[in-house]
Amino acid sequence: QVQLVESGGGLVKPGGSLRLSCAASGFTFGDYYMNWIRQAPGKGLEWVSYIGTTGDTTLYGDSVKGRFTISRDNAKNSLFLQMSSLRAEDTAVYYCATTLGGGYHYYFDFWGQGALVTVSS
Amino acid sequence: EIVLTQSPATLSLSPGERATLSCRASQSVSDYLAWYQQKPGQAPRFLIYDASNRATGIPARFSGSGSGTDFTLTISSLEPEDFAVYYCQQRRNWPLTFGGGTKVEIK
Repeated sequence: QVQLVESGGGLVKPGGSLRLSCAASGFTFGDYYMNWIRQAPGKGLEWVSYIGTTGDTTLYGDSVKGRFTISRDNAKNSLFLQMSSLRAEDTAVYYCATTLGGGYHYYFDFWGQGALVTVSS
Repeated sequence: EIVLTQSPATLSLSPGERATLSCRASQSVSDYLAWYQQKPGQAPRFLIYDASNRATGIPARFSGSGSGTDFTLTISSLEPEDFAVYYCQQRRNWPLTFGGGTKVEIK
């Protein structure tokens, strides 16, 4: 069955770095674009970043541009988010999400369970 | 950036009642709008796409309508499992944006 499993979350000090991973299974990972979406505690959803199927196209939200880098390894069915210069406001559950269904684009019909990132001294 | 404003913030209803949730966009998104349901501790669940199309496996009591800047998610008769937070999301322009959510709670 389709699975997205995030890992790499944890506690990091302001200004620090962290790398999230998302392991995909149950579908042909290299055929699908991927996204990171986050949710601060008790708050709503915020789209963070997008990567195309080959990794050639990447997009970022303004709040993370220049600090976060999205990448993927299709041979290992894995998605990554390298986060640097972390701030308290980056504290959130980070979800990897994708669009598996046909007939629509850039909606998120499959999500991982999320990884909590806490930025605090 | 397209801002999506959801109202009301909280909707208090009883099982069996009809729920009507609103999402208003700061500029036209055509019909490029989706709805999601999220329960505590869970990832969001994809409900509706392109304003009015139910996603695979979504019960018929969920329906979406609207175009341009004003959209509605209707739950015709609330089941106990429908009490949750609902978000709208637009894909008309980057960055993709979500509304702030409407919590549907048990009255």
